[in-house]
Amino acid sequence: AQTVTQSQPEMSVQEAETVTLSCTYDTSESDYYLFWYKQPPSRQMILVIRQEAYKQQNATENRFSVNFQKAAKSFSLKISDSQLGDAAMYFCAFNTDKLIFGTGTRLQVFP
Amino acid sequence: DGGITQSPKYLFRKEGQNVTLSCEQNLNHDAMYWYRQDPGQGLRLIYYSQIVNDFQKGDIAEGYSVSREKKESFPLTVTSAQKNPTAFYLCASSIKARVKNIQYFGAGTRLSVL
Repeated sequence: AQTVTQSQPEMSVQEAETVTLSCTYDTSESDYYLFWYKQPPSRQMILVIRQEAYKQQNATENRFSVNFQKAAKSFSLKISDSQLGDAAMYFCAFNTDKLIFGTGTRLQVFP
Repeated sequence: DGGITQSPKYLFRKEGQNVTLSCEQNLNHDAMYWYRQDPGQGLRLIYYSQIVNDFQKGDIAEGYSVSREKKESFPLTVTSAQKNPTAFYLCASSIKARVKNIQYFGAGTRLSVL
């Protein structure tokens, strides 16, 4: 079975600090993509970052970057210089023939 | 502006009633999806459609039905056979139903049972 595990139900960070959200997954596929989505209080899912499994280089998008360890099947998200607007639920997901989501991590940002 | 529009934002269902959730996109995407989100859980796939007049069941299709008569529209009907319909429903679309393609989401519909 293909699964995604987010072991941190809640995380908190001080404004301007850095936080890392963990994600592990399990698949026997070799061709897949990994995603982090953000769900703010409005509940709309917003793509944060995407990683291609065959690329060793970690993806970055402004203050967001990933640490992709393919052998360990690990895909963590690092948020640098955290802002109040980063407060949201964060979902890790991977796509083989369909998109499979983890259960999410709620991130709180304190001023 | 291009995007995905879901309506209504809130919907109430009476016992034994079928209700339909609307999803419209103007992104010219071929693929569309319906997900269900319950508290403390990730999104689960209900149905998806890769092209017009074609759709496939996802992981939790029982008690739901869909149609794809137009490229822009992918309505979801929650039938009376769905015994626990209270949830948040999200519609998404992607250019094609391919592994690499990003799925873009609507703002969702919250369905409650009266």
